[in-house]
Amino acid sequence: QTVVTQEPSFSVSPGGTVTLSCGLSSGSVSTSHYPSWYQQTPGQAPRTLIYSTNTRSSGVPDRFSGSILGNKAALTITGAQTDDDSDYYCVLHMGSGISAFGGGTRLTVL
Amino acid sequence: EVQLLESGGGLVQPGGSLTLSCAASGFTLNNQAMTWVRQAPGKGLEWVSTIGGTSGNTYYADSVKGRFTISRDISKNTLYLQMSSLRAEDTAIFYCANLRGAFYFDRWGQGTLVTVSS
Repeated sequence: QTVVTQEPSFSVSPGGTVTLSCGLSSGSVSTSHYPSWYQQTPGQAPRTLIYSTNTRSSGVPDRFSGSILGNKAALTITGAQTDDDSDYYCVLHMGSGISAFGGGTRLTVL
Repeated sequence: EVQLLESGGGLVQPGGSLTLSCAASGFTLNNQAMTWVRQAPGKGLEWVSTIGGTSGNTYYADSVKGRFTISRDISKNTLYLQMSSLRAEDTAIFYCANLRGAFYFDRWGQGTLVTVSS
């Protein structure tokens, strides 16, 4: 069974740039997987950030951007703020109605 | 405005059953795919099940297949998740979300907690 992979944790300084990745245990991520990204803070429901690889959801600041880098989907935060200290999840569409979450990345901004 | 409100969570014994509801407003379920996602305590998000908008086709994660059933009542504009043969590992917050055409979860409910314990 193919697993969606993410870095367990990452840290960035305020004002810095960080790129989180979303890969597959077998094979490459492409736009056909329609990668999407979600932010979650403790005790809250997830918030949709990016869909269809690189489209920002309504109200999402433009410091968040999505792309395909090599064989992975990527979420880049440019000019990180302390409010960005959260968990980040990617989701890939695996076909046949199946969606798959990555394990999530805990981003620390300090 | 799109809003989703889950209910029905609670404490249930192993082997028991429970039905979750998700009341939708601001759109109609018969032209919108809907999804259940869960999160075990201290763990990541896990896709559970999806029901198609116009098709009504249903899809399940292997971990719940044969035990959970997703359905909807168009007249009540409500999504359901019937859960049976519940196990301790099903303990989680369950979220409903609408699934848009580009296969992403757009709006989320606030979640409802299911605890499976004796």
